[in-house]
Amino acid sequence: EAGVTQFPSHSVIEKGQTVTLRCDPISGHDNLYWYRRVMGKEIKFLLHFVKESKQDESGMPNNRFLAERTGGTYSTLKVQPAELEDSGVYFCASSQDRGTENTEAFFGQGTRLTVV
Amino acid sequence: AQSVTQPDIHITVSEGASLELRCNYSYGATPYLFWYVQSPGQGLQLLLKYFSGDTLVQGIKGFEAEFKRSQSSFNLRKPSVHWSDAAEYFCAVVGMSYQKVTFGTGTKLQVIP
Repeated sequence: EAGVTQFPSHSVIEKGQTVTLRCDPISGHDNLYWYRRVMGKEIKFLLHFVKESKQDESGMPNNRFLAERTGGTYSTLKVQPAELEDSGVYFCASSQDRGTENTEAFFGQGTRLTVV
Repeated sequence: AQSVTQPDIHITVSEGASLELRCNYSYGATPYLFWYVQSPGQGLQLLLKYFSGDTLVQGIKGFEAEFKRSQSSFNLRKPSVHWSDAAEYFCAVVGMSYQKVTFGTGTKLQVIP
C-alpha cells in the first residue's frame, strides 16, 4: 500500500514567486493535515481537511497560504507570494479515524521549501 | 492549550549504550501521546503511542516509553542504541477529539562508535 506522497521533495523559489505543494494521502483516508517546520522550531499544525471540507485552518499563518482538497482526494497548498520566512519543511499527513485507539496519522516525507 | 516540551535539543550516545529521551506535556485531560522519528531524508515515522491502559508501551525498533501522569511525562527509552538510530525524535500530543497533533521541538540523536 502506498503511503502519503508529497511533491516536490524540494523547491527553491525567489521571494515574490508562487509555489504549489501537493499531497496525496493514503487511499480511503478522509482526514488530511498540513504541518510546517520552520528551521530550528517545532512542527506546527497548519490545517485539517475532512474529505473536501476544511475542519480547522487555525494554523494557517496568513492569507498568502491557500489550501484546497477538491474531490476529497489529493490536496494542494499554494503560497502566493512567497516570503523568506515561508522557508521550511511542509509535511502532509492523513488518517482514517479520529478519536479512536486505531487513530494514527501517517506522514509524508515532506517538501523542503527554500525562498531566496 | 496543549503543549509539549523536549528539553534536550541534541543528545550524543555511544553505540550499545542505553538511551532516554525526555518529554513533558501539558494537557487538561488524559492525552494521546506519541513518539515519532525522522531519519535523514525520510518522513515522520510513528515509533509508539499511548492511548490508555498499560503505562509502559512498546514500539518498533526496540523502543519503549512510559506514561507518568504524576510527572506529565512520556519519556522514550531504548536499552541498547544502534548506529541506525541516529535521527531526530519528536514527542507529540493529541487531544481526545484528535483535531491536530502538537509536537515538541525535537531531539537530535547522534550515535558514536
